[in-house]
Amino acid sequence: DAGVIQSPRHEVTEMGQEVTLRCKPISGHNSLFWYRQTMMRGLELLIYFNNNVPIDDSGMPEDRFSAKMPNASFSTLKIQPSEPRDSAVYFCASTWVSGSGEAFFGQGTRLTVV
Amino acid sequence: GENVEQHPSTLSVQEGDSAVIKCTYSDSASNYFPWYKQELGKRPQLIIDIRSNVGEKKDQRIAVTLNKTAKHFSLHITETQPEDSAVYFCAASKSSSNTGKLIFGQGTTLQVKP
Repeated sequence: DAGVIQSPRHEVTEMGQEVTLRCKPISGHNSLFWYRQTMMRGLELLIYFNNNVPIDDSGMPEDRFSAKMPNASFSTLKIQPSEPRDSAVYFCASTWVSGSGEAFFGQGTRLTVV
Repeated sequence: GENVEQHPSTLSVQEGDSAVIKCTYSDSASNYFPWYKQELGKRPQLIIDIRSNVGEKKDQRIAVTLNKTAKHFSLHITETQPEDSAVYFCAASKSSSNTGKLIFGQGTTLQVKP
């Protein structure tokens, strides 16, 4: 397995534009996390899916953020409209909830909103 | 919800010395405590983990201890080497449950001086 795959690796966009980040979890994993990493706030959990169902989205900062998981092999995190304070590295991670517990991270998407 | 506090935020040691990073958690139901290492520009990767039915676990130069009563756990790195320089994150979750979201501490930047 190639591991958790995120795209794009880098995204530069203008304020007000819509941004969509993509994630393909490890095949067979049934839990997926979206995290945002900044120097000030560390690794913040945004949303957590289990069996494609959003279990906890209390970390989603505002209504501008939305996430979907239409099937077991794909998830998106959308920001609309984007703002400069959304600039961060966004990580997706997946795990098997009844397994070892280890979460495997993707390479991350570095988002810059100018 | 779960809250994880991590200290110190930065740690500088001489090569060969030991390093200790400490974390506390708030949810007594948490039962899985992993430690992740993140090198500059890379994804976080699991280095060691411990479950609540164990008090200590070792893997070569690294060890983790858990005090369930006090709700704190620590990472110990002995005989540090320059390649140990990275950001270390502790985390806590209620693994193997449908609410098994993984919450991270703020991170500790470890610098090992040659």
